[in-house]
Amino acid sequence: QVQLVESGGGVVHPGGSLRLSCAASGFTFSTYGMDWVRQAPGKGLEWVAFIRYDGTNKYYADSVKGRFTVSRDNSKNTLYLQMSSLREEDTAIYFCARDAYSALYYFDYWGLGTLVTVSS
Amino acid sequence: EIVLTQSPGTLSLSPGERATLSCRASQSVSTSTLAWYQQKPGQAPRLLIYATSFRATGIPARFIGSGAGTDFTLTISRLEREDFAVYYCQRYGSSPLTFGQGTKVEVK
Repeated sequence: QVQLVESGGGVVHPGGSLRLSCAASGFTFSTYGMDWVRQAPGKGLEWVAFIRYDGTNKYYADSVKGRFTVSRDNSKNTLYLQMSSLREEDTAIYFCARDAYSALYYFDYWGLGTLVTVSS
Repeated sequence: EIVLTQSPGTLSLSPGERATLSCRASQSVSTSTLAWYQQKPGQAPRLLIYATSFRATGIPARFIGSGAGTDFTLTISRLEREDFAVYYCQRYGSSPLTFGQGTKVEVK
């Protein structure tokens, strides 16, 4: 069965960096676009970033552009999110999600998320 | 960017009642690019509906999606206990993907 397991969350100071990982299993990872979506405490969902199945195309929300970088290693079935210049407003649960069929599509599977707290 | 506005913010209903959730877009959205998700506390969102009206695998028939243009609706025909949750609409197909702010369906 499809599984997505995020890791790498934690507490970081403003201006700091963190790298999140999402380990995928149960499907052919290299043939699906993948996304990061975040949810601030008690708030709604916010799309963060997308990467094409082969890593050649990436899109970002304006709120993270220039600070976050999405990447993937298809040989390791793993998705990454490198976060730098972190701000308190980046505090959220970060979910990885699989695009159902095509790029920038709806999400048919989600991980359980990893919590990132940016605080001094 | 297409902004999605959901209403009401909270819906207080009893099991067995009908729930009608609205999602209004700031500009016309193709019916093939509108989805709905359900999220329960401490859980990841779950896909309910895609392309406005198509139920995802395993989703019960009481979940009905409809709409066109700028107005979309998720109807839960008869609420079951497990349906009390937060519901989000999403526009997909091009960047940026956007979500509505959510509608909470709570027990009256």
